[in-house]
Amino acid sequence: EDQVTQSPEALRLQEGESSSLNCSYTVSGLRGLFWYRQDPGKGPEFLFTLYSAGEEKEKERLKATLTKKESFLHITAPKPEDSATYLCAVRASGTYKYIFGTGTRLKVLA
Amino acid sequence: DSGVTQTPKHLITATGQRVTLRCSPRSGDLSVYWYQQSLDQGLQFLIQYYNGEERAKGNILERFSAQQFPDLHSELNLSSLELGDSALYFCASSVADSPVAGGRRYEQYFGPGTRLTVT
Repeated sequence: EDQVTQSPEALRLQEGESSSLNCSYTVSGLRGLFWYRQDPGKGPEFLFTLYSAGEEKEKERLKATLTKKESFLHITAPKPEDSATYLCAVRASGTYKYIFGTGTRLKVLA
Repeated sequence: DSGVTQTPKHLITATGQRVTLRCSPRSGDLSVYWYQQSLDQGLQFLIQYYNGEERAKGNILERFSAQQFPDLHSELNLSSLELGDSALYFCASSVADSPVAGGRRYEQYFGPGTRLTVT
């Protein structure tokens, strides 16, 4: 069964303290892995798509990487405005469904 | 702004009632997806439409139904509402699987959501 697990569930960082969020996935064949940011009560905001192992994408303080079993979202020198829930999702080959993890709640303290 | 619009923003109704949530996808996107997000759960996929046809179903209750119209907007109908149906309902759209996608554009863009409260 296709599955996505994110860790940790919650993370508190001091401003400037870099860290990584993990997304482990099990799919029969990966069509794409997606990272989203979600603020409370708002719709998820698309960040990155990764298609194959070894691929990396970068945007401001965020960098996403992909292996055959997991993806990492690296946050470098975070700021309080980076506080949000970060969601990971996958779409498997041969299906139209997207499977979301339960997210990592990130809090960056000033 | 993702380009996906949803109405209404908030909906408060009583148990047993029926409501309709509306979604307009981004210009050019043929696929529309509906998700439910409760406080204690992540995003639960409900149903997907592609160019007017149902394409995939998730954990959608029989009391719920959806459709996509010729202008590509979609409606999610929730009937015989229960307290447990209170949640955020999101619509997402994508160019995935359409001829213009070129095989590598599977990301979804989400609307702002409709917060449903059943009392």
